[in-house]
Amino acid sequence: GAGVSQSPSNKVTEKGKDVELRCDPISGHTALYWYRQSLGQGLEFLIYFQGNSAPDKSGLPSDRFSAERTGGSVSTLTIQRTQQEDSAVYLCASSSSRDLRSYGYTFGSGTRLTVV
Amino acid sequence: ILNVEQSPQSLHVQEGDSTNFTCSFPSSNFYALHWYRWETAKSPEALFVMTLNGDEKKKGRISATLNTKEGYSYLYIKGSQPEDSATYLCAFLSGNTGKLIFGQGTTLQVKP
Repeated sequence: GAGVSQSPSNKVTEKGKDVELRCDPISGHTALYWYRQSLGQGLEFLIYFQGNSAPDKSGLPSDRFSAERTGGSVSTLTIQRTQQEDSAVYLCASSSSRDLRSYGYTFGSGTRLTVV
Repeated sequence: ILNVEQSPQSLHVQEGDSTNFTCSFPSSNFYALHWYRWETAKSPEALFVMTLNGDEKKKGRISATLNTKEGYSYLYIKGSQPEDSATYLCAFLSGNTGKLIFGQGTTLQVKP
């Protein structure tokens, strides 16, 4: 596609429910990233996929969070048993290269998650 | 833990004013420094990717400088316009980790 597409754009869920957030990166981009921004905080790294390599999951805040990337393209971030502190804007980004010395990220427009 | 600090947290200026913000990052194992602009209801957009000490990059009225030895970068906006109102994010790449660590951003509001 022309850009990074995220869905849904907004999601309100009840505490304890599971949610799935979707990211469709730019075609051909090998690297895909998930970040989140909680109220008053900076962008927090969650997980990074690069090609067929094992993902870097070092930023996932708890085992309630998981992500997968199917066929090197679309990624799904799953949050199980949501808590109020999970409320945030979840941003996906992709990059054409592992070389972040030359290229920046292309971001999606985000999913605003509200847990009530 | 890698810390990327940005200051000020927010800034209000009048149209036509010039302004600048600071990004501080660890000076060891530096690979790259990125600047992004994030306008309300839009996606963050890459402004600059900087790698060399002393680098200076320019895009229109916006420019950035880089000092890797002391671990800081400045972003300058000359003659601010209301359309410059946004949050400006810097992000640090440490080693070849493949991922960026972001600061908390500087939110700029330009009043007409």
